[in-house]
Amino acid sequence: GAGVSQSPSNKVTEKGKDVELRCDPISGHTALYWYRQSLGQGLEFLIYFQGNSAPDKSGLPSDRFSAERTGGSVSTLTIQRTQQEDSAVYLCASSSRLAGGADIQYFGAGTRLSVL
Amino acid sequence: SQKIEQNSEALNIQEGKTATLTCNYTNYSPAYLQWYRQDPGRGPVFLLLIRENEKEKRKERLKVTFDTTLKQSLFHITASQPADSATYLCALPTGNQFYFGTGTSLTVIP
Repeated sequence: GAGVSQSPSNKVTEKGKDVELRCDPISGHTALYWYRQSLGQGLEFLIYFQGNSAPDKSGLPSDRFSAERTGGSVSTLTIQRTQQEDSAVYLCASSSRLAGGADIQYFGAGTRLSVL
Repeated sequence: SQKIEQNSEALNIQEGKTATLTCNYTNYSPAYLQWYRQDPGRGPVFLLLIRENEKEKRKERLKVTFDTTLKQSLFHITASQPADSATYLCALPTGNQFYFGTGTSLTVIP
């Protein structure tokens, strides 16, 4: 089946505007992650969803960032009042769990956000 | 939290040679460690997983080792090819999160 799908692939916005980034995970994957990758940097964890459990929001950098996952499937990451330092690639991953408890993450191609 | 260091930002090797990439971490040893490959403009792709009780794992031309005493994993690509050129990331789980290294950019020169 299809892999993880993210949209849009590129987003250019003006400082102060709100943006919504969408992630369609692999069907049947209960876990979903959002990461941010700045130029030359590693992946920065933002938020984790697992089934119907409360999400782990510990990585969100400020209260301008929020995310939701509807029906255990599609997720939306919202950034309000965007700042230039929000410019980065936002990656979504869904995961399947191997026997023994290890998670393998499958990533989308990302959304490249540019805040002017 | 974990701090992860991957060796030198860029590694250039000649085609046919073995590339060795290093991943060092600072705190507790995780139950397992993963290696991913990332190409420009793409998301990371899972390559290999090695558990704490495994010393070595192989897949085709790839080999990963995991030394919990040294807090280090080595990632080897044997008989390297230009198509192996990419950025390679190591990842360690902790709770619900994964810590990723900044990656090593590998270029295989024909």
